[in-house]
Amino acid sequence: EPEVTQTPSHQVTQMGQEVILRCVPISNHLYFYWYRQILGQKVEFLVSFYNNEISEKSEIFDDQFSVERPDGSNFTLKIRSTKLEDSAMYFCASEGQGAVPQHFGDGTRLSIL
Amino acid sequence: GNSVTQMEGPVTLSEEAFLTINCTYTATGYPSLFWYVQYPGEGLQLLLKATKADDKGSNKGFEATYRKETTSFHLEKGSVQVSDSAVYFCALTRSGTSYDKVIFGPGTSLSVIP
Repeated sequence: EPEVTQTPSHQVTQMGQEVILRCVPISNHLYFYWYRQILGQKVEFLVSFYNNEISEKSEIFDDQFSVERPDGSNFTLKIRSTKLEDSAMYFCASEGQGAVPQHFGDGTRLSIL
Repeated sequence: GNSVTQMEGPVTLSEEAFLTINCTYTATGYPSLFWYVQYPGEGLQLLLKATKADDKGSNKGFEATYRKETTSFHLEKGSVQVSDSAVYFCALTRSGTSYDKVIFGPGTSLSVIP
């Protein structure tokens, strides 16, 4: 079964540094999402992306965050200047046409020191 | 707004016990309802779904019925196994909105002991 793949599985970064989280969605999917899960808390929506633009974003997704689909296969989340509170598990998801629920990747654990 | 509430965990059961995890939602119209499972160290997997009232979703021995009158989508399994130990998330997508964000409940941790 096709999978959403995320890299790296674990990223450790100094506070204030930029970080890019990468996702390869399922190949024929057109709708892409990022979510985050702070340790012990619920999964929260960050942003959705379709047709090379943001469809919806949450209040968490401030100016420090950006998303991009640079080459038609990867879907990236960039945090410009990381803060301690950005430490979380970040999940990418993709969705195809028809009544098919979103498929999630295994996540990237981001640790900010 | 739209939200999902789940029973608090952690839940600890003995193998072969009956499982119920309660889930209620707040939403306008007819949302689609889901249960996702997160095994230790892994990502989110769709366990089952229901898209309209009285639909029953089922998978791997788990079942949940979409109850519009009580705005509930309780997860049940007749006989749990150690391998069912995981965190279970009730979730919804909004009514009449295609390709929509998933709104998750807080999750319920289940531990099944031999």
